[in-house]
Amino acid sequence: DQQVKQNSPSLSVQEGRISILNCDYTNSMFDYFLWYKKYPAEGPTFLISISSIKDKNEDGRFTVFLNKSAKHLSLHIVPSQPGDSAVYFCAAYDDKLIFGTGTRLQVFP
Amino acid sequence: DGGITQSPKYLFRKEGQNVTLSCEQNLNHDAMYWYRQDPGQGLRLIYYSQIVNDFQKGDIAEGYSVSREKKESFPLTVTSAQKNPTAFYLCASSSDRRANYGYTFGSGTRLTVV
Repeated sequence: DQQVKQNSPSLSVQEGRISILNCDYTNSMFDYFLWYKKYPAEGPTFLISISSIKDKNEDGRFTVFLNKSAKHLSLHIVPSQPGDSAVYFCAAYDDKLIFGTGTRLQVFP
Repeated sequence: DGGITQSPKYLFRKEGQNVTLSCEQNLNHDAMYWYRQDPGQGLRLIYYSQIVNDFQKGDIAEGYSVSREKKESFPLTVTSAQKNPTAFYLCASSSDRRANYGYTFGSGTRLTVV
């Protein structure tokens, strides 16, 4: 059973616009959430995280929002740049990281 | 530079053979992990170890084995019992059980069964 879900396998956004990537989870005991970015044939790199006691965390162009009642988090990238094109994984912490299936973001000029 | 090294980057195996993937870290991290990536399935946890000489099965441990004899090393053996071993394998480490700052990943090993 998939505890962390990313229902959109892909997203295409024009450069300069906002990219919104979504993630849903089922386990209310998760208390820490992270986003990773991955290029092909490379390992994922940590992007941004949020604790369950917060509802928003911002780092430059990246903002993560957490809605605990809906068990939903989202990653906003503003403005989107072509170099942001990659696969993005959300992950939840429960003694170890549990990853979603990923969303492939393509930012076009 | 501190980091986590996986070798080899590409590996080919004949059916019925065991193969071992190497993972070494010099970050002084206590915990290490092995994930497998398949298209459309995200990263699935195979095995993890939070301390030397101890490890636990993840979600898809069948057909795999690990050892943790040294803090720096966490090799993964893909045995002939693994029915579909062709995949991209990722090793990761973290500094404590809470992993508040996330895992550090290696660059991966792509295993192909021929």
